[in-house]
Amino acid sequence: EAQVTQNPRYLITVTGKKLTVTCSQNMNHEYMSWYRQDPGLGLRQIYYSMNVEVTDKGDVPEGYKVSRKEKRNFPLILESPSPNQTSLYFCASSPVRFGRQGEGEQFFGPGTRLTVL
Amino acid sequence: GESVGLHLPTLSVQEGDNSIINCAYSNSASDYFIWYKQESGKGPQFIIDIRSNMDKRQGQRVTVLLNKTVKHLSLQIAATQPGDSAVYFCAENPNGGGGADGLTFGKGTHLIIQP
Repeated sequence: EAQVTQNPRYLITVTGKKLTVTCSQNMNHEYMSWYRQDPGLGLRQIYYSMNVEVTDKGDVPEGYKVSRKEKRNFPLILESPSPNQTSLYFCASSPVRFGRQGEGEQFFGPGTRLTVL
Repeated sequence: GESVGLHLPTLSVQEGDNSIINCAYSNSASDYFIWYKQESGKGPQFIIDIRSNMDKRQGQRVTVLLNKTVKHLSLQIAATQPGDSAVYFCAENPNGGGGADGLTFGKGTHLIIQP
């Protein structure tokens, strides 16, 4: 089954304790992205990756890191989490970056609910 | 502020009726728009997209209309079913496919289907 998986789905941690949220897709997509979703703010992009070893900042990259060592995986790293990073996080992938109509569909993972105390 | 927004935070319709969800955008340079559906506890799901060179695009039970003159986007769902209950939000690509990446997402409209 074609899908984007994220782990963990739920995480409660404390300020300053490094954590990694994994994201994996089995669709051989080149483009992957991380978003956070907060009430009243909608989805905001954190980082994205056009392809292996190519990553770039989105709208709200502060406090986050990513890596893209292989095509299928795109982990999100919080080196020193803070309470303002409490949020719902989504990973997404797509075969091309918003190319011709009908080919820009992003597939989202199920989400990771992170609480930083 | 938000360049993409929704007129109503909650929309309640009777099962079987048609639903219309609206979205306003402010960036006239945007050339690509997407509607997503997000069910409770799940990630957003692509519904339909449209490029700015079109006014209308139809899918299965859904139609997206784009009015570039007033920068307005709408999603029409025909014969709504209980499974249509979800939050719907629009997104625009303000960069037209070039330059820095990033969709701008609206905050969402919660569609409630009454039996």
